[in-house]
Amino acid sequence: QKEVEQNSGPLSVPEGAIASLNCTYSDRGSQSFFWYRQYSGKSPELIMSIYSNGDKEDGRFTAQLNKASQYVSLLIRDSQPSDSATYLCAVKGNNDMRFGAGTRLTVKP
Amino acid sequence: DTGVSQDPRHKITKRGQNVTFRCDPISEHNRLYWYRQTLGQGPEFLTYFQNEAQLEKSRLLSDRFSAERPKGSFSTLEIQRTEQGDSAMYLCASSRRKGQGGWAALHFGNGTRLTVT
Repeated sequence: QKEVEQNSGPLSVPEGAIASLNCTYSDRGSQSFFWYRQYSGKSPELIMSIYSNGDKEDGRFTAQLNKASQYVSLLIRDSQPSDSATYLCAVKGNNDMRFGAGTRLTVKP
Repeated sequence: DTGVSQDPRHKITKRGQNVTFRCDPISEHNRLYWYRQTLGQGPEFLTYFQNEAQLEKSRLLSDRFSAERPKGSFSTLEIQRTEQGDSAMYLCASSRRKGQGGWAALHFGNGTRLTVT
């Protein structure tokens, strides 16, 4: 089992729709959770961090964390073509920061 | 905050040669990480430093790979006797110490793309 798993893509949504990205992790001792966006040929850039169970909202982005289910998700509301990228889930646990393989999102105009 | 700087941006080398990459982290960050990323995959952890101490090294990392951070500032990653399988993007990232909420996020450099022919 991979340490961090993301729903396989690619994911395609129409402009203005909600995009839902999911991530599960294996280390129950994980403490901090992050979502990164990576455009093709570029390095990852931080979108959001979340540390406590529940929802955290930042503009059009909402991160959700459920430690009991070892699950973290990212919702993107009112998706825009500029949101088209690969989204990486990252988890900091007893070992160091581990990344999922990423989910490629395409937002179609 | 000038960001994380990596040099060179691109490196093409022949199989069997040694290569060295440099990373300059954000100045107030005491943690520095090296990752490797291949096409279609997420960043794969290689090693990290807290100040000058190398605290963890991936079990998957061959003995041909070595990293240093001699004065707790910049870091170098050396790959000896390169193989074609080493072709990848090598990413450096830095972060602050753990804050009240939890571990600080990583800030990535632009990476060094290595091609081994």
